[in-house]
Amino acid sequence: GAGVSQTPSNKVTEKGKYVELRCDPISGHTALYWYRQSLGQGPEFLIYFQGTGAADDSGLPNDRFFAVRPEGSVSTLKIQRTERGDSAVYLCASSPGTGAEQYFGPGTRLTVT
Amino acid sequence: AQSVTQPDIHITVSEGASLELRCNYSYGATPYLFWYVQSPGQGLQLLLKYFSGDTLVQGIKGFEAEFKRSQSSFNLRKPSVHWSDAAEYFCAVVRAYSGYALNFGKGTSLLVTP
Repeated sequence: GAGVSQTPSNKVTEKGKYVELRCDPISGHTALYWYRQSLGQGPEFLIYFQGTGAADDSGLPNDRFFAVRPEGSVSTLKIQRTERGDSAVYLCASSPGTGAEQYFGPGTRLTVT
Repeated sequence: AQSVTQPDIHITVSEGASLELRCNYSYGATPYLFWYVQSPGQGLQLLLKYFSGDTLVQGIKGFEAEFKRSQSSFNLRKPSVHWSDAAEYFCAVVRAYSGYALNFGKGTSLLVTP
């Protein structure tokens, strides 16, 4: 079956612009996670959704970052006033429930110029 | 907070040789631990996980890991490495109160030589 998909695969934007990154989880998966992976680092937790609600957003670095999952399926990570330090690969993962394996998407590579 | 440390940034092994990648965790209680592999252009793939029970865990692709509480370690092993095992390997631990979200180590890059 289809895995986790993320669009776009690559995004180049100018400093100060707004970007949206999309994640389509595996159908039926109730848990959804966003991570950020900077060059040479491991993935860093950003936010976790259980259903439609953000159950833990403690990993979001500041209030420029926001994520939604309005219907409990697709999620969008939104970044306002992008900065060069936001450049990274943004990973999405989904899981059929807490405690189960997380399945990762291929990521969106964000470059802020 | 729960965290893991991977002391080796790069490891080089010859094809057919054995492999051990180190991971040390920081957590008072029994942690939930994972190993993931990330190949170029590929997403993260789960190799194995440890929640409780038998401290020797078998995973996919011939990998295994051993949980050692006395050493706060969860090292990944493979008896004979194949060239296709060249990749980035990440150890991870479940964050508390985050629905099993993960804290990852910085990773170990494995190079396999002929």
